[in-house]
Amino acid sequence: DQQVKQNSPSLSVQEGRISILNCDYTNSMFDYFLWYKKYPAEGPTFLISISSIKDKNEDGRFTVFLNKSAKHLSLHIVPSQPGDSAVYFCAASPFSGNTPLVFGKGTRLSVIA
Amino acid sequence: DVKVTQSSRYLVKRTGEKVFLECVQDMDHENMFWYRQDPGLGLRLIYFSYDVKMKEKGDIPEGYSVSREKKERFSLILESASTNQTSMYLCASVDRGLYEQYFGPGTRLTVT
Repeated sequence: DQQVKQNSPSLSVQEGRISILNCDYTNSMFDYFLWYKKYPAEGPTFLISISSIKDKNEDGRFTVFLNKSAKHLSLHIVPSQPGDSAVYFCAASPFSGNTPLVFGKGTRLSVIA
Repeated sequence: DVKVTQSSRYLVKRTGEKVFLECVQDMDHENMFWYRQDPGLGLRLIYFSYDVKMKEKGDIPEGYSVSREKKERFSLILESASTNQTSMYLCASVDRGLYEQYFGPGTRLTVT
C-alpha cells in the first residue's frame, strides 16, 4: 500500500513558467517531508524539505507547500529552466533519523525551451 | 561535503553469478541504505543498517543480503543474480537523528 503517492508520472512545462509537482500521503504520523531531484545515471540529490509545523518553505526558485489537513504537499519551481528537467521524488518520514524515508514513485519534469 | 561512493557505475553480470556492490561514505554516518530504482516503481528499499553488524530488511529483500563490517562501508550482495535484478542500485547514508539522506552516484547493473 503506497503511503506516498505522486500521481503524475510526467509533466511538461515551458521555460520561464511555473512547474507544480504534487505529492499525497496517507500516514498521518509523517512529520517531515523532502524533495529529491534525480538526473539520469546519477544519484538523487536533496532539493528542499519541510517540517510538519510549517506550511511553506522557500529556497530560491523552489518552494514547498504543505497542507496537513489534505495530506498534500507540492513543489513549485519558478521560473522553470531547462536544467530543471529531471525526475523529482517526494519522500516522507514519521520521525527523525532511524526510520527509513518513504519515497513516492517520482514525477519526470521536462522543461521545454 | 558528504561523499558517498559506489564501487562501480556500470556492471554486467551473468545469471547465477554472485555479485557484490560496495558503498562507502566518508561522514561517519550511522545509518546506511540500499535502494533499487526501476522505471515507474520509484525508489524501493532493499536493506538498511543502523550500525556496524546491524541490518534490517526493507521492502524487497528477497534475493539480496548485506554486510556492514565497518561503519563507513555497506555492501549489497546478490547471492545468485537473476535477470529481474537488472536495475539501478543506489546507496545512501544519513547521520542518526537527521532526515536528509545523501546518495551515491548509483550502479547500473545488467544481468544477462
